[in-house]
Amino acid sequence: EPEVTQTPSHQVTQMGQEVILRCVPISNHLYFYWYRQILGQKVEFLVSFYNNEISEKSEIFDDQFSVERPDGSNFTLKIRSTKLEDSAMYFCASRKLSQGADTQYFGPGTRLTVL
Amino acid sequence: EDKVVQSPLSLVVHEGDTVTLNCSYEVTNFRSLLWYKQEKKAPTFLFMLTSSGIEKKSGRLSSILDKKELFSILNITATQTGDSAIYLCACISGSRLTFGEGTQLTVNP
Repeated sequence: EPEVTQTPSHQVTQMGQEVILRCVPISNHLYFYWYRQILGQKVEFLVSFYNNEISEKSEIFDDQFSVERPDGSNFTLKIRSTKLEDSAMYFCASRKLSQGADTQYFGPGTRLTVL
Repeated sequence: EDKVVQSPLSLVVHEGDTVTLNCSYEVTNFRSLLWYKQEKKAPTFLFMLTSSGIEKKSGRLSSILDKKELFSILNITATQTGDSAIYLCACISGSRLTFGEGTQLTVNP
């Protein structure tokens, strides 16, 4: 069964450094998402992406964040200058483009640790 | 602000017990409610509910939505140790999922 994949599984970085988290969505899916989960807290929406542009973003997704679909398969989340509070599990998700196909399928996540 | 509230937050049962997990919501432009199971990392999809009163069933798991009272329940019958996980409820509004805090279910042998 097709799955969303994410790399790396764990990333450790120094405060102020840039990180890029990578995702390969399910191949026939056209909507892509990033969520994060700070340890012990709820899963929170960051951004949705369709047709090569952001369709919706949360208040968390400020100028330090950006997303890109650099080729036909990858979907990336970049954090320009990481802060301690960016430490979290970051999940990528994708879904089909068809009416009623609201189910978002999640990848295994990237644990980001900012020191 | 959209809100999804789950209860209980934590539940410990013995194998064979039946459990009911609750999810209430206040979501603008509600479209659907989804249940996920989160074991180690990724939430894995269980059910999507869009219409009131229609039970969705998969093996020992079932779920139903009440759009008038704005809640959903997830039932698990004859629980097994492999059911131990965090169960997440999430509502779709626009293109985003708003998640609840989750219910941590522990099934003891």
